[in-house]
Amino acid sequence: GQQLNQSPQSMFIQEGEDVSMNCTSSSIFNTWLWYKQEPGEGPVLLIALYKAGELTSNGRLTAQFGITRKDSFLNISASIPSDVGIYFCAGDTSGTYKYIFGTGTRLKVLA
Amino acid sequence: NAGVTQTPKFRVLKTGQSMTLLCAQDMNHEYMYWYRQDPGMGLRLIHYSVGEGTTAKGEVPDGYNVSRLKKQNFLLGLESAAPSQTSVYFCASSYVALGQPQHFGDGTRLSIL
Repeated sequence: GQQLNQSPQSMFIQEGEDVSMNCTSSSIFNTWLWYKQEPGEGPVLLIALYKAGELTSNGRLTAQFGITRKDSFLNISASIPSDVGIYFCAGDTSGTYKYIFGTGTRLKVLA
Repeated sequence: NAGVTQTPKFRVLKTGQSMTLLCAQDMNHEYMYWYRQDPGMGLRLIHYSVGEGTTAKGEVPDGYNVSRLKKQNFLLGLESAAPSQTSVYFCASSYVALGQPQHFGDGTRLSIL
């Protein structure tokens, strides 16, 4: 089946540093979503992207829909301890409302 | 505004037992989904529903059944639980519009002994 490659798998960073993670696919996506999951909770939507080249921000978070429509990027600026969690990308290839999820990037912030 | 509510939150079963997980949403969403989350594998779609009375198979449907008798509820059943079904199960719902994101519940942690 279709797969999303999400990298890196995990990151340990110092508080205040910027963070970058990405997802790539072998298929063209119509929509990219970025979620954050904290321990014991379900994923929470951070940013939704709908057009190739689109750049969208949510506070310190910025995500981009890749020009090729096969990748997406999430950046977090000036990380803080509450940024800790697992970040997932998800994509929809055919407008079927069935999203494919990446395997997640586990972020740990050292104070 | 509760959003998506899953019950129970935790459950331990013996191999061969059956149980039903309940998902309820109060956002009037048409679409509902059941996922399982295993370490290092992200979220995998089990079954989904595009409306009341309809269900469809996802990526990993074997060993599970679902029902959507009411628009707000989506039930996931395990007829004969197996240790391989030990996982965290998430329910999600969304509006019917292209690219509408899914809203998730907090999960049900299921252990099969």
